[in-house]
Amino acid sequence: QMTQSPSSLSASVGDRVTITCRASQTIISYLNWYQQKPGKAPRLLIHTASTLQSGVPSRFSGSRSGTDFTLTISSLQPEDFATYYCQQSYITRTFGQGTKVEVK
Amino acid sequence: EVQLVETGGGLVQPGGSLRLSCAASGFTFTDFWMSWVRQAPGKGLEWVANINQDGSDKYYVDSVRGRFTISRDNGQTSVSLQMNSLRGDDTAVYFCTRDGGTLSAADLWGQGTLVTVSS
Repeated sequence: QMTQSPSSLSASVGDRVTITCRASQTIISYLNWYQQKPGKAPRLLIHTASTLQSGVPSRFSGSRSGTDFTLTISSLQPEDFATYYCQQSYITRTFGQGTKVEVK
Repeated sequence: EVQLVETGGGLVQPGGSLRLSCAASGFTFTDFWMSWVRQAPGKGLEWVANINQDGSDKYYVDSVRGRFTISRDNGQTSVSLQMNSLRGDDTAVYFCTRDGGTLSAADLWGQGTLVTVSS
């Protein structure tokens, strides 16, 4: 089970944004982050906790501390307003509940 | 072009069946696990099932096990999801995804196909 928080947040362009995901058991570093915009398929941002997918801007980063994982957007851009999901891929697959990043 | 294209969605009555297909192109299909992920209207993502490169390993989320069957045709570079005994809570957009390996993320997604279960 993946517990993602917060479920939503309001932020402004330029803000630093942090989203967290907690696994109920060890998943080592098999944690992935996706971005989804309305009406579109999700897009892979980060895999294995901290590896940036090709083509993803460097303002996105991921980290792990035990079973706690964090997605950070260092300086929010207009195109980053979207919903973000974590997903563990260690035991089949499970997604977090999602975090909607909205305009403040 | 590297892409996944899903087809087969539509309106089906409760208890009915539907078969989704996903056509892959632009990459070596037999190098990858494939998955289906769904999203109910206004809700989050739910992984449904996946299949390994030669079709010998298949896994399902508990809510569909025994009702859905994932399969692949490597000659046709396609993956399918046979859905039986459909229920209202199966209503969702179904996405086909490409996974790098047994522990890998979904790095390629189709555009999705909508399945509506309703009388």
